[in-house]
Amino acid sequence: RKEVEQDPGPFNVPEGATVAFNCTYSNSASQSFFWYRQDCRKEPKLLMSVYSSGNEDGRFTAQLNRASQYISLLIRDSKLSDSATYLCVVNKILTGGGNKLTFGTGTQLKVEL
Amino acid sequence: GAVVSQHPSRVICKSGTSVKIECRSLDFQATTMFWYRQFPKQSLMLMATSNEGSKATYEQGVEKDKFLINHASLTLSTLTVTSAHPEDSSFYICSASSPFNEQFFGPGTRLTVL
Repeated sequence: RKEVEQDPGPFNVPEGATVAFNCTYSNSASQSFFWYRQDCRKEPKLLMSVYSSGNEDGRFTAQLNRASQYISLLIRDSKLSDSATYLCVVNKILTGGGNKLTFGTGTQLKVEL
Repeated sequence: GAVVSQHPSRVICKSGTSVKIECRSLDFQATTMFWYRQFPKQSLMLMATSNEGSKATYEQGVEKDKFLINHASLTLSTLTVTSAHPEDSSFYICSASSPFNEQFFGPGTRLTVL
């Protein structure tokens, strides 16, 4: 079983739609969680951190359920510019210091006119 | 956010040659840098953790003699793909860990081995 699992999509949605992505992780020792965005042939860029209390940044809302080891991302009022691959990322602090990020395969979003 | 650069951005080489990729943190000192590889339609896979002044830590399945990592200063780590073969063609991305443990990614290097 992969450490971080995501539905690869693609999700094709019309502009203005609301779309939700889900992610599950297997390592209960994981300590922090993120959503990254990756455009085609580019490096990943941090979209937002994810907290158990839920957090919102404009049109984006992220949620973490530690008991279920489940992370979600909700995008409201989708824009064409939201088209990208969204990566679920889990961070673990290593014994002796340092940290390790584990990436999901990503969920592809295509927003259409 | 912090800036991490990679050079070259793209390289095409013949099978059997060695290719060196540089990763620099431009506005902070990074004691730890990470090297990832991403094949088409797959996730980023961590190859190794590069620690300044010491040997890199390689992930399981990554050949340390094939992927040589040097982290000689707090702002520079290099990855050398030795005797590259077509199956090594991939997108190689580095990241640098800030003093607050946040990772900043370089723009990546696309390697094509003919």
